[in-house]
Amino acid sequence: DAKTTQPTSMDCAEGRAANLPCNHSTISGNEYVYWYRQIHSQGPQYIIHGLKNNETNEMASLIITEDRKSSTLILPHATLRDTAVYYCIVTRGYGNEKLTFGTGTRLTIIP
Amino acid sequence: GAVVSQHPSWVICKSGTSVKIECRSLDFQATTMFWYRQFPKQSLMLMATSNEGSKATYEQGVEKDKFLINHASLTLSTLTVTSAHPEDSSFYICSARRTENEKLFFGSGTQLSVL
Repeated sequence: DAKTTQPTSMDCAEGRAANLPCNHSTISGNEYVYWYRQIHSQGPQYIIHGLKNNETNEMASLIITEDRKSSTLILPHATLRDTAVYYCIVTRGYGNEKLTFGTGTRLTIIP
Repeated sequence: GAVVSQHPSWVICKSGTSVKIECRSLDFQATTMFWYRQFPKQSLMLMATSNEGSKATYEQGVEKDKFLINHASLTLSTLTVTSAHPEDSSFYICSARRTENEKLFFGSGTQLSVL
């Protein structure tokens, strides 16, 4: 799996959009960008994933640059419950492919 | 949607005893499950890949005789921490895919404390 680089921590005001960046400059053509988050003392929760097009679901939007070397996860209206560690993972994402977690970004939503 | 259930949520045991953690896929069959371990303030570290009907594949540095994995059915994988010691105290998490091309679903985790 390609390695990813994320900021260690970020703060965001409640109600604002939280933009979490991720660099994955060595991504391969058949690798997806996945985002998971982990709220304290819980298992990781899937957020969104994409290959090269931007994606949006009920939780977030994923913006992938044209060269696919970086991406941004956007939480449009952050709430206190969005405080968590967010992991950006690059993987082919199928079969018995395992997920390798980096250190992630600790996002704190401030009231 | 698909759910992965993990039991127990937390367990406290004495040093030297063994502890079994169960991971079940509730509404799908999982030929492959993954076991992770997470120490406080650290990221998830993959321990092993559990394969239904065959031996588990362990990551480098993980003792297979200490962390016994059994995947006897398509909906159940178990991790047994044998002769547990305080340094085995950690958060253990399992995960599984519903289909080959789908995302991983994670269990809620098991907090193990060894006294």
